[in-house]
Amino acid sequence: EPEVTQTPSHQVTQMGQEVILRCVPISNHLYFYWYRQILGQKVEFLVSFYNNEISEKSEIFDDQFSVERPDGSNFTLKIRSTKLEDSAMYFCASSEKTLARNQPQHFGDGTRLSIL
Amino acid sequence: AQKITQTQPGMFVQEKEAVTLDCTYDTSDQSYGLFWYKQPSSGEMIFLIYQGSYDEQNATEGRYSLNFQKARKSANLVISASQLGDSAMYFCAMREGHRNSGYALNFGKGTSLLVTP
Repeated sequence: EPEVTQTPSHQVTQMGQEVILRCVPISNHLYFYWYRQILGQKVEFLVSFYNNEISEKSEIFDDQFSVERPDGSNFTLKIRSTKLEDSAMYFCASSEKTLARNQPQHFGDGTRLSIL
Repeated sequence: AQKITQTQPGMFVQEKEAVTLDCTYDTSDQSYGLFWYKQPSSGEMIFLIYQGSYDEQNATEGRYSLNFQKARKSANLVISASQLGDSAMYFCAMREGHRNSGYALNFGKGTSLLVTP
């Protein structure tokens, strides 16, 4: 069964450094998402992406964050200057076409980001 | 205001018994979707079941079923014949139907389920 792939599985970075989290969504999917989950808390929406542009973003997704689809397969989340509070599990998700309401979002296994 | 409320932070169930995980939601939209995801201790998010706001029948998927009560705005997950491998966090999530939302999922805080032998 096709799946969403995220790399790396764990990233340790010094505060203030830039980090790029990578995702390969399912190949025929059109909508892409990033979520984060701070340890012990609920999953929070960051950003959605369709047709090579951001379709929606949350308050969390400030100027330090950016997303990109540099080629036909990868979808990246960049944090420009990491802060301690950016430590979390980051999930990439994709869905086939959300015009069909019952299309689930398929999640990757996540990248655990630890900021020191 | 919370869009999704899961009032049970933790639940225990004995193997082979059924268990109900509660979820209530808040929306003024007529068109929305409700999802349940399972998160084992390994951390991945696994899609379990979906219920649409216009679906007249409760969704079922193997041992999972959704008790959808639209007037009460509840979408409880029922797991029948619990197995030890069902021990995990369970998240209820809602997608509202307007395109401007970007179709983001709004998650509840989750319920931790422990299945005991």
